Amino acid sequence: GIQVEQSPPDLILQEGANSTLRCNFSDSVNNLQWFHQNPWGQLINLFYIPSGTKQNGRLSATTVATERYSLLYISSSQTTDSGVYFCAVDYGNNRLAFGKGNQVVVIP
Amino acid sequence: DAGVIQSPRHEVTEMGQEVTLRCKPISGHDYLFWYRQTMMRGLELLIYFNNNVPIDDSGMPEDRFSAKMPNASFSTLKIQPSEPRDSAVYFCASSYTGTGANVLTFGAGSRLTVL
Repeated sequence: GIQVEQSPPDLILQEGANSTLRCNFSDSVNNLQWFHQNPWGQLINLFYIPSGTKQNGRLSATTVATERYSLLYISSSQTTDSGVYFCAVDYGNNRLAFGKGNQVVVIP
Repeated sequence: DAGVIQSPRHEVTEMGQEVTLRCKPISGHDYLFWYRQTMMRGLELLIYFNNNVPIDDSGMPEDRFSAKMPNASFSTLKIQPSEPRDSAVYFCASSYTGTGANVLTFGAGSRLTVL
C-alpha cells in the first residue's frame, strides 16, 4: 500500500518560532489533507491541498504532487498550536491513509 | 450543523462483552468512514460507506467487527465479543464529494477500554 512518512516525528518550539513539517508519500495521490489533533484528541481539518499553496492565518501548506511531498508551515507559533499534525493522502476511491504524525509542543 | 456526532465518548467494558459505537454524520454528506487510532498502529481505516452502502471493509480486523449504515443519518460499529486488544479510540468521519473534493470532518471519537 501507499506509504506516508512525516518528519520530524517530534518538535519542541519556543512560542513565536516558525517551523516546517514535511510529508512524503510513495505514490501518486488524488488529494492530500493536513489535520491537527489537539491535546483533547479532536481531529481538525486544516487544509485540503492536492497541489499548490494555501494559507490560513499563521498556517500555510504547499504540495508538490509531482515530487510527492507536502509541507506545512507554522509561523509565529502559539501554545495553542501544540498537538499532533497528520498528513493524509487519498489513495483511491476517497480512502485516506494517514502518516504517523508530527508531535509539536510549543512552550511559552 | 452540529458536526459529526459520536456516542458514547467513553466506554469501559469487560472482555467478551458486546460494544456498539454510534455515529451521526453531517447532514448531506455522502461518505462515512470509521477509523481506529492506537499508539502502535496510528490511524487505520476500518470501513467506509458511500450513500449508505459499504464500499470497502478490508480494514476491519476480524469477524468480531461489523458496521452498518441503515440510513443517511446513522451508522454503528459493533464489536462482539470484545477483547483487550480492541482498546483504542474509534473515530467516525464524513465527507461530501459533490464539489469534487473529499474533505473529511471527524467526530470527537469514542474511547474504548476493554478490561
